[in-house]
This record gives sequence, C-alpha cells and structure tokens, in this order.
Amino acid sequence: GENVEQHPSTLSVQEGDSAVIKCTYSDSASNYFPWYKQELGKGPQLIIDIRSNVGEKKDQRIAVTLNKTAKHFSLHITETQPEDSAVYFCASPNTSGAGSYQLTFGKGTKLSVIP
Amino acid sequence: SQTIHQWPATLVQPVGSPLSLECTVEGTSNPNLYWYRQAAGRGLQLLFYSVGIGQISSEVPQNLSASRPQDRQFILSSKKLLLSDSGFYLCAWLTGRGKDEQFFGPGTRLTVL
Repeated sequence: GENVEQHPSTLSVQEGDSAVIKCTYSDSASNYFPWYKQELGKGPQLIIDIRSNVGEKKDQRIAVTLNKTAKHFSLHITETQPEDSAVYFCASPNTSGAGSYQLTFGKGTKLSVIP
Repeated sequence: SQTIHQWPATLVQPVGSPLSLECTVEGTSNPNLYWYRQAAGRGLQLLFYSVGIGQISSEVPQNLSASRPQDRQFILSSKKLLLSDSGFYLCAWLTGRGKDEQFFGPGTRLTVL
C-alpha cells in the first residue's frame, strides 16, 4: 500500500513569512495529491490539490508543487496570517487493492503563525 | 451542492455503554463513505469504508462496527465502549465516478469515562 511521510510535524513562522510543508509518497502510480487544513475542533477541509499531469498549482496565497520523479509534493503558503494556524495534512491515493478508493494521509503538520 | 452532516457533535459516555454515531450526505448519490478516528494530536486512522448499501469493509480490528442502511447514511456503532474509544470521529465521502475529491464532515467528539 501507499506510504506517505510528512515533514515537519510542527512549524512556527512569523506573520507575513512563508511556510513550506513537504510530503513524500511511495506508490509511483499515485496521480492525485490533496492538502487538507484542520482547524481546532473541526473536520479537515480540502484546500488545494494537484494531479500528476501538472507540476504546480496556485490559489491565491497557497500553492502546491509536485515532483513525480522524486515522489514528493509540497504545500507553500505565502504572506502567512494568524488564521493560517491549523494542522495541515497531505494525502495520496492507495492504488493497490480492488473495490474502493482510499486516501493515505500524512501524520500532519501543526502550523503556528505568530502575530 | 453537497453537504455532510454528523451527529451528535459531542458525546460523553460511560465505559461499557453502547454507541451510535450517524453520518448523512446530501446532494449526491451512491457515494463512497468513510469513518475515521483521530486521537488527540494525532493523525487520521481509517476505520471503515463503504462503496454501497450494506457493503462495509473494516480496516482495523476493533471494538466498533459500521452499517450503511441507506445510500447516504453511514452509522458507527459499539455494543460496549472502552476508554480507548475516546477520540474525534470523522465521516467522509467522495463521489467516485472519476472524481478524487474527498470531503469530511464536522466530526463527533467522543469522550468515554
């Protein structure tokens, strides 16, 4: 099955600085890579995703890059704001096995933006 | 648009009591449905998934069970709760049919005392 490693586990940045979270995956057949933001006491929210046919995708202050050769993808948040403070999860589909689609999640990164 | 509901939002139960958590999805048909558990400060552990009515697959052996009595309803149950069942329970869905996006519900915070 798929194995997803996420780093760092915690990240503190000053407001206005950039934050980068990295994930590696093991299944070379994986072709979809979402990122989720989870605020305290809430369910994870899908914030951006990328498919294997592109190397980068941007949505305002958030971007995701993908390197299929190296099997890693990263979340970039620019001009961080206090409301960006949350736990972020990366994920990749488990393409092994039949019958159901499942995502394998990283262990999460707790991002703290210091005002 | 599609929405996902979970209830109750919070629950405090004594050890040995039964459990029933409910998840419903609106605005879609025949979704894949998932139950995850998240311990405090930890990642997401997949417990069960379902590709259709009455079809349940379990990912980890445990004290819990799941059922899907209707297309858009997913229930998580236990006959006797353990202390270790405490956690944040999340229901999720995706449409399948070529779409990969998976969406989570608001979650249920379960405390077993």
